[in-house]
Amino acid sequence: NAGVMQNPRHLVRRRGQEARLRCSPMKGHSHVYWYRQLPEEGLKFMVYLQKENIIDESGMPKERFSAEFPKEGPSILRIQQVVRGDSAAYFCASSPPPAMSYGYTFGSGTRLTVV
Amino acid sequence: QKEVEQDPGPLSVPEGAIVSLNCTYSNSAFQYFMWYRQYSRKGPELLMYTYSSGNKEDGRFTAQVDKSSKYISLFIRDSQPSDSATYLCADQAGGTSYGKLTFGQGTILTVHP
Repeated sequence: NAGVMQNPRHLVRRRGQEARLRCSPMKGHSHVYWYRQLPEEGLKFMVYLQKENIIDESGMPKERFSAEFPKEGPSILRIQQVVRGDSAAYFCASSPPPAMSYGYTFGSGTRLTVV
Repeated sequence: QKEVEQDPGPLSVPEGAIVSLNCTYSNSAFQYFMWYRQYSRKGPELLMYTYSSGNKEDGRFTAQVDKSSKYISLFIRDSQPSDSATYLCADQAGGTSYGKLTFGQGTILTVHP
């Protein structure tokens, strides 16, 4: 049973380019969460999605960031016109429906470097 | 004030020592409390999950929650070099905020042989 799969593991983008981070949840998990970890900081919540539905995006920056979890395929975190401050580790997690869940399972993360 | 405060350390102990890791929180809405372990360049791994005041034990690990003082702890007995990692406490509110975890900054632990 594969865990939460994130790709790519490492991503380098020049300022102004777009970054697309992908996350495939564990089998049977219908809820996906994205977190960002900046150097010397803890994990910060960004967005919580179910299939075809954004449940909570209170942690998403207002501009340039978007997330989706389509009916088919992985969840995508998209960052447009990246800036140096976007350099961080981005972690995806998944869980069964919250009423049944006891914590998340995290992926290994995508490390984004903006040059 | 951060919603979850955690001393970042670093904390260095000899093998076999008892380790105490602590967090405080300010949001009374938090109902569920977790400890995650994160090895370098890896994703966080869930260690303990609890939703009530008191102690919960799992092998060498004991999680303790005191809701009256908004204080949570993780104790590691007979610490091993393989326990060297960053330990993150996380709190979760109920209701409409169910999906969101609020993490502490993490404590870096090194257990030396």
